[in-house]
Amino acid sequence: QKEVEQNSGPLSVPEGAIASLNCTYSDRGSQSFFWYRQYSGKSPELIMFIYSNGDKEDGRFTAQLNKASQYVSLLIRDSQPSDSATYLCAVSRGNQFYFGTGTSLTVIP
Amino acid sequence: GAVVSQHPSRVICKSGTSVKIECRSLDFQATTMFWYRQFPKQSLMLMATSNEGSKATYEQGVEKDKFLINHASLTLSTLTVTSAHPEDSSFYICSARSLPSSYNEQFFGPGTRLTVL
Repeated sequence: QKEVEQNSGPLSVPEGAIASLNCTYSDRGSQSFFWYRQYSGKSPELIMFIYSNGDKEDGRFTAQLNKASQYVSLLIRDSQPSDSATYLCAVSRGNQFYFGTGTSLTVIP
Repeated sequence: GAVVSQHPSRVICKSGTSVKIECRSLDFQATTMFWYRQFPKQSLMLMATSNEGSKATYEQGVEKDKFLINHASLTLSTLTVTSAHPEDSSFYICSARSLPSSYNEQFFGPGTRLTVL
């Protein structure tokens, strides 16, 4: 079983809509959870991290964590074409850090 | 935010030569740096974890004699691809973990695109 699982997509949403990206993790001992954005040909960029159950909002982005269900999500409100990228979910446990394979998001103008 | 730089950003070399890539944390100290490789349209693949002042820990299948990693200071790690071959052509990305870090977040450098002819 993979440590972190993401739907590879592609996920397409119209401009202005809410994009919902999901991630599950296998180890209940995971402590911190991260969302990275990676544009084609570029390196990943940290968008948000979350470590407590519930929601964490930052601008148009909301991260949601449900430890009981071992589920992390990222909501992007008012999606823009510039949000088109691959979104990587990552979890950490102790000194270990695990990435998902990423979900490709396309925002259609 | 934490800034990580990489140099060079792009390198083209002949088969059989060695290439050194530098990774620097510019505004924080990084006890741990990570080296990743990414082939086109594939996910990140962790190659090795580098701790300042100690030997790097390589992932299974990564040849430590081919990919030499040195982490001589809290702000600098280097990856040397020795006797590079065309199959080593890839996007190499480093990341660094800030110290102190409560949440274990990693910050990525901009990457180095290596092309071996």
